[in-house]
Amino acid sequence: DVKVTQSSRYLVKRTGEKVFLECVQDMDHENMFWYRQDPGLGLRLIYFSYDVKMKEKGDIPEGYSVSREKKERFSLILESASTNQTSMYLCASSIPGTGGYFGPGTRLTVT
Amino acid sequence: AQSVAQPEDQVNVAEGNPLTVKCTYSVSGNPYLFWYVQYPNRGLQFLLKYITGDNLVKGSYGFEAEFNKSQTSFHLKKPSALVSDSALYFCAVSDPFSGGYNKLIFGAGTRLAVHP
Repeated sequence: DVKVTQSSRYLVKRTGEKVFLECVQDMDHENMFWYRQDPGLGLRLIYFSYDVKMKEKGDIPEGYSVSREKKERFSLILESASTNQTSMYLCASSIPGTGGYFGPGTRLTVT
Repeated sequence: AQSVAQPEDQVNVAEGNPLTVKCTYSVSGNPYLFWYVQYPNRGLQFLLKYITGDNLVKGSYGFEAEFNKSQTSFHLKKPSALVSDSALYFCAVSDPFSGGYNKLIFGAGTRLAVHP
């Protein structure tokens, strides 16, 4: 069965902290994505990666960076967390034509 | 700009009645179209997709969706709603400029509440 896992379901961090969100997929997919979900706004793409060490900015990349050192792992990094980054973060992986397989999400609260 | 609209924040349906969750899109070309469902504190689960062919697409849990090119709509339907269908539903379309990268553009979501 397809599986995308995220390192934490719930996370609480302080303003200014560096935050790492990890995502692992076991389907050998080339494409991986990070979205954030906010009420009334749906899902917005932060970054995506189409291969190891390759990355592309999505619609809202400001304040975020990513790392993909291995095909199965895609990390989202908040360099200096701010309260407006409090959100639900969803990772996904895909192959063309299949949409995406999503992880369970990480609910991040920045205080 | 490419966009997806889900005009209803919430849809209320009595159990056993048919349900429709609406989606319209403004995307150039011939995008792929998707519906996802999200249960509380869970990630998104794929329901169905339209790529080409028959305008009526059948998916998981008895859901189906009708593609209408002239109205640029992709409404989600189910003939008989269940209380367990209560969840948040997202419509998405593939970004036509993302090539094979499968970037998706999501609607804001519609909360479906099915009452006993």
